[in-house]
Amino acid sequence: AQSVTQLDSQVPVFEEAPVELRCNYSSSVSVYLFWYVQYPNQGLQLLLKYLSGSTLVKGINGFEAEFNKSQTSFHLRKPSVHISDTAEYFCAGYRSGGYQKVTFGTGTKLQVIP
Amino acid sequence: GAGVSQSPSNKVTEKGKDVELRCDPISGHTALYWYRQSLGQGLEFLIYFQGNSAPDKSGLPSDRFSAERTGGSVSTLTIQRTQQEDSAVYLCASSLRGQNTGELFFGEGSRLTVL
Repeated sequence: AQSVTQLDSQVPVFEEAPVELRCNYSSSVSVYLFWYVQYPNQGLQLLLKYLSGSTLVKGINGFEAEFNKSQTSFHLRKPSVHISDTAEYFCAGYRSGGYQKVTFGTGTKLQVIP
Repeated sequence: GAGVSQSPSNKVTEKGKDVELRCDPISGHTALYWYRQSLGQGLEFLIYFQGNSAPDKSGLPSDRFSAERTGGSVSTLTIQRTQQEDSAVYLCASSLRGQNTGELFFGEGSRLTVL
């Protein structure tokens, strides 16, 4: 099964500063990768996804992620964060083929400091 | 409905009682997942249903936990003889594999409190 690792449990960052949330995956074969966001007291929603094609993926709210096959990474970035970006972010993925289940990282709490 | 629906949204029960949590996935979605999210913790995988295949139960924490999916649609997660450590938010998600390549749609969750 696909394994996904989020290296940082918490990331504090000042408002309007850039941020990068790190995610690494275990398999170099065909893989689909996702970032989900969970705002306080809400459910999870999709932020962006990588299926194939361009390695730079743009999502909602100004976030983007880059699929890097050589480094098996899928880091999430935003050039300038807002207070409203305070949330928990989950990286997820699965290998294509068959009915592989989606696996999630342990999550990264982004705390935007005013 | 338009999204994944879970009920009840909140459940308070006494230790030792059984509880049932229900999930209505998006119509036509073949894959259904249950996750548990304890306070301040990440997502803990519980069980995965995919079409008519045997479910992947590898995440169920004990034999007090079970789940079924009737008619390939509605799913019920049952916790028998609840313990205080079962207190958590139980999330259900569904997806349509083959299209949208596995993007999960989550319900709002069922918050379980065991006293």
